[in-house]
Amino acid sequence: GDSVTQMEGPVTLSEEAFLTINCTYTATGYPSLFWYVQYPGEGLQLLLKATKADDKGSNKGFEATYRKETTSFHLEKGSVQVSDSAVYFCALSDLDSGYALNFGKGTSLLVTP
Amino acid sequence: KAGVTQTPRYLIKTRGQQVTLSCSPISGHRSVSWYQQTPGQGLQFLFEYFSETQRNKGNFPGRFSGRQFSNSRSEMNVSTLELGDSALYLCASSQGGGASPLHFGNGTRLTVT
Repeated sequence: GDSVTQMEGPVTLSEEAFLTINCTYTATGYPSLFWYVQYPGEGLQLLLKATKADDKGSNKGFEATYRKETTSFHLEKGSVQVSDSAVYFCALSDLDSGYALNFGKGTSLLVTP
Repeated sequence: KAGVTQTPRYLIKTRGQQVTLSCSPISGHRSVSWYQQTPGQGLQFLFEYFSETQRNKGNFPGRFSGRQFSNSRSEMNVSTLELGDSALYLCASSQGGGASPLHFGNGTRLTVT
């Protein structure tokens, strides 16, 4: 079945550092890929998405490119801020799962001043 | 536009009891999904409702059930509570389901003692 694997962290970075959170997936169909972010005490917020190969999703300085050849969807940001501290979840959905989101375990990010 | 509202925010129940959680989706959204979040298993899909019909179901025992009303509001019920049911239960809504982005509420934190 479908699955998502992401680095678990925690990841600790200094403000203005470059961020990469790796995410790879296994799917039998043609999934849509997502990054969600969860701030303490809150639900999940959609950060960005990509629906087909080579699509690049971007939002708030974050980017991720749908790479079918490497089955990856790595999240990047050029310069992180303290306010980016949160847990980041990679997820996929496809027709085979009835479009239910299949999440990775989440990566905790702490950005220090 | 108001977001997804879940009530209550916190619940404490005893083993063997039952519990009902409520979710009001974003106005105009007809699909409501439920997810369970635990430290060990991460985020897992429970079920999805669309126009009062269960359209998709995850791999949870029959003790977990839900329903959706004509105004798209949804309730989730867990009967014969077990300690392992302690979790954050997240509700999400979308306009049409499928690969439409999900909008999550802040969740209901259920503690079973």
